[in-house]
Amino acid sequence: NAGVTQTPKFRVLKTGQSMTLLCAQDMNHEYMYWYRQDPGMGLRLIHYSVGEGTTAKGEVPDGYNVSRLKKQNFLLGLESAAPSQTSVYFCASSSGRHEGDTQYFGPGTRLTVL
Amino acid sequence: AQSVAQPEDQVNVAEGNPLTVKCTYSVSGNPYLFWYVQYPNRGLQFLLKYITGDNLVKGSYGFEAEFNKSQTSFHLKKPSALVSDSALYFCAVCGAGSYQLTFGKGTKLSVIP
Repeated sequence: NAGVTQTPKFRVLKTGQSMTLLCAQDMNHEYMYWYRQDPGMGLRLIHYSVGEGTTAKGEVPDGYNVSRLKKQNFLLGLESAAPSQTSVYFCASSSGRHEGDTQYFGPGTRLTVL
Repeated sequence: AQSVAQPEDQVNVAEGNPLTVKCTYSVSGNPYLFWYVQYPNRGLQFLLKYITGDNLVKGSYGFEAEFNKSQTSFHLKKPSALVSDSALYFCAVCGAGSYQLTFGKGTKLSVIP
């Protein structure tokens, strides 16, 4: 049981390049989330999904797109990367069965945009 | 809107001494409160949560937290700190009817041998 996995672990992009981050979970969770972590700012929600085929905006959605084509996968895309998107990105999932469900986090992807 | 405040960026404590990491929150209705720990270059690990019931919640690695509704606080505590407890700690809140967590900015705990 791997829990939540993320690929890649590290990535360096040039301004304007695009990339996709993949999150996978094997816990049959309905809800999935993408966060970014910046020093001194905690974690901020980018986008989330409450089920296969659904997505919604979080606190800081600009410059990102997401897709949830399969229940176990949640993709985060950057169409035209900017230096302000240099951050550590975390994916999380929760069952969605109850309020107060615990979110379980992946190991993170460290992205640098030059 | 929901929010979390962790008033201390850093807490230093001697090994063997009790530790407290502070958290206050603001949310409509009854809160769901969480503590997570992050070790260097790792993801967040769940420590404990308060949903309802007993105000003292026990979690992993000997940590506990006390929910205080009148003070809107959920401080993390441990009776005897270990050097291995040194990490970044995050408090988070979720309001009733919401599945979205709002995190505090984190508190760096350093346990000094």
